[in-house]
Amino acid sequence: NAGVTQTPKFRILKIGQSMTLQCAQDMNHNYMYWYRQDPGMGLKLIYYSVGAGITDKGEVPNGYNVSRSTTEDFPLRLELAAPSQTSVYFCASSIIAGRNQYYEQYFGPGTRLTVT
Amino acid sequence: DAKTTQPNSMESNEEEPVHLPCNHSTISGTDYIHWYRQLPSQGPEYVIHGLTSNVNNRMASLAIAEDRKSSTLILHRATLRDAAVYYCIPNTGNQFYFGTGTSLTVIP
Repeated sequence: NAGVTQTPKFRILKIGQSMTLQCAQDMNHNYMYWYRQDPGMGLKLIYYSVGAGITDKGEVPNGYNVSRSTTEDFPLRLELAAPSQTSVYFCASSIIAGRNQYYEQYFGPGTRLTVT
Repeated sequence: DAKTTQPNSMESNEEEPVHLPCNHSTISGTDYIHWYRQLPSQGPEYVIHGLTSNVNNRMASLAIAEDRKSSTLILHRATLRDAAVYYCIPNTGNQFYFGTGTSLTVIP
């Protein structure tokens, strides 16, 4: 299995441009997530999805949109990029595992985005 | 979700044990205690989790206080590859809230 893959690895955007960060997983996980990580900080949840067709906001959703048309893919759309969106973006997926039903998250390698 | 307190940074000599503490005094009765780590320039990876009892796996051990208000991640013999930021995450459910974690430096 490739696990969680993200493209692109790096991207520079100008203020006001739009782009889509791609995320795919081949583990048949129902749950998928988008996080952002600013320098020296922990990860903050942007959006998450509990299955195809179902998405919900996390801590910091403003300026972003998501869709989930398949189990495998969970793209993140940035509209009207701003310098405050300069960050590293991580996609993750998870399953309910174990006898006691805990969630274990698997992360992609990240996309480093700079908005200038 | 429970608020956590972890040291900003710790150092360990290579091949020595490391004890990484976490306080989570507002933990709820159903919260699992998860530990993840993030190696430089990588996404976080799962280390270990527990509910009430101490847990061991091939990477680490997790010691949970009897009142569950704190826990300690134990790396039995630190290697240079263990240099990372370690996150303690008490939670129930599918949303994880990462703090700033503990940055572990391993000294050769």
